[in-house]
This record gives sequence, structure tokens and C-alpha cells, in this order.
Amino acid sequence: GAGVSQSPSNKVTEKGKDVELRCDPISGHTALYWYRQRLGQGLEFLIYFQGNSAPDKSGLPSDRFSAERTGESVSTLTIQRTQQEDSAVYLCASSLALIGNTIYFGEGSWLTVV
Amino acid sequence: GQNIDQPTEMTATEGAIVQINCTYQTSGFNGLFWYQQHAGEAPTFLSYNVLDGLEEKGRFSSFLSRSKGYSYLLLKELQMKDSASYLCAVSTSGTYKYIFGTGTRLKVLA
Repeated sequence: GAGVSQSPSNKVTEKGKDVELRCDPISGHTALYWYRQRLGQGLEFLIYFQGNSAPDKSGLPSDRFSAERTGESVSTLTIQRTQQEDSAVYLCASSLALIGNTIYFGEGSWLTVV
Repeated sequence: GQNIDQPTEMTATEGAIVQINCTYQTSGFNGLFWYQQHAGEAPTFLSYNVLDGLEEKGRFSSFLSRSKGYSYLLLKELQMKDSASYLCAVSTSGTYKYIFGTGTRLKVLA
């Protein structure tokens, strides 16, 4: 696609429910990233996918968080048993796997846990 | 550990010049990026430095000193639309992971 596409744009969920966030990267971009940004805060790295390599999951805050990616396309970030502290915008980004290449962000999925 | 530091907030006047600093300590270095993020929107790319020196792009310039682990973003002829957060990010070596600072919120006053 023309840009990184994320869905849903907004999600309100009850505490304890599971949510799935979807990211469709720019076509041809082999690298895909998930970041979390709490209100007024910076970007917190969650997970990184590069081609068929094992993902770098070092930023996932707990085992309630998981992500998958199908080949070099769509990725889903799943949060199980959501907590209020999970409320944030979840940003997906993609890039070509070249050193110094710009990463392009989607508009984000705004998650509110009530 | 990996650390990127930026001032939390800055205020400047329309038409003025402002310099936003960023210092970093990372395991390796493949380049430093600056992104602009307006409230409620996704970050957008502004500049990239991998070698020491100044990169100029219109009203925006970015400087890098690798030996000092230091960069700055210079914004000239400030406009009201420049009010945004400015994020410094480092690409670390051995991986394509980008580490972001917490961002500097810039307010431009009339």
C-alpha cells in the first residue's frame, strides 16, 4: 500500500478482555516495528520483525503481549487480559532493511482500557 | 544500557531560531534520526545523520558529533505550525532497532 495502515484506529475495551491490533506495512518493506506511546510520553520499543529472522521481542512488557507477522506482510499485536496501564497509542512502522533507512509510521491504534 | 536524553519542553517565539539537543549512549551506532510529531498524529521523518557535521534541509538543520554522542536539531524562522514534539532516535549497530528519546515538546508563541 501507499503507507503503513493500522486498524482499528480507536479501541475501547473492558479491563480483562483481549485485543488484537493490526498493521499492514508499506509494500516491499521487510522490517516492521511496534512501539507503544503513552499520553505525553516518548516511544517505547515493543518488538521488531525482519524478514524470516526470529523477531526481537526484547521490548514486550509482559507475557500478556505477543505479536505475529505473516511473511513480510501483515502483523498483529495481541494484548491478553488488558489492564488500564495498557491504555496508549500503539504505533506500527516499517522500513527497508538497509542501514540508516527511514522508518515510516502508521497513524496508530488508540487503545483505551476502562 | 541504552539511553537517549532530550529536554522535555521548550518555548520559542514565532520567527526565532531554536536548537533542540539530544545526547545518546547506545551499543553501537548506525545513524541518528529526528522525527516531528504533532499532537495526536504519527511521527514524520525530518532528518538523518550518520557522519559528523551539519545537514541542512530548508528551515531545519541537524548536527551530529559521534565522538560526543551529541546531536541537535536547529529550526529557523519558527512558525506556529512548528509547535510539536521532536523525537531523537538512534539506529543501533547489529540490528535495525531504533531507540527513541522521550521527545521535546516545542511551543511556538506568537
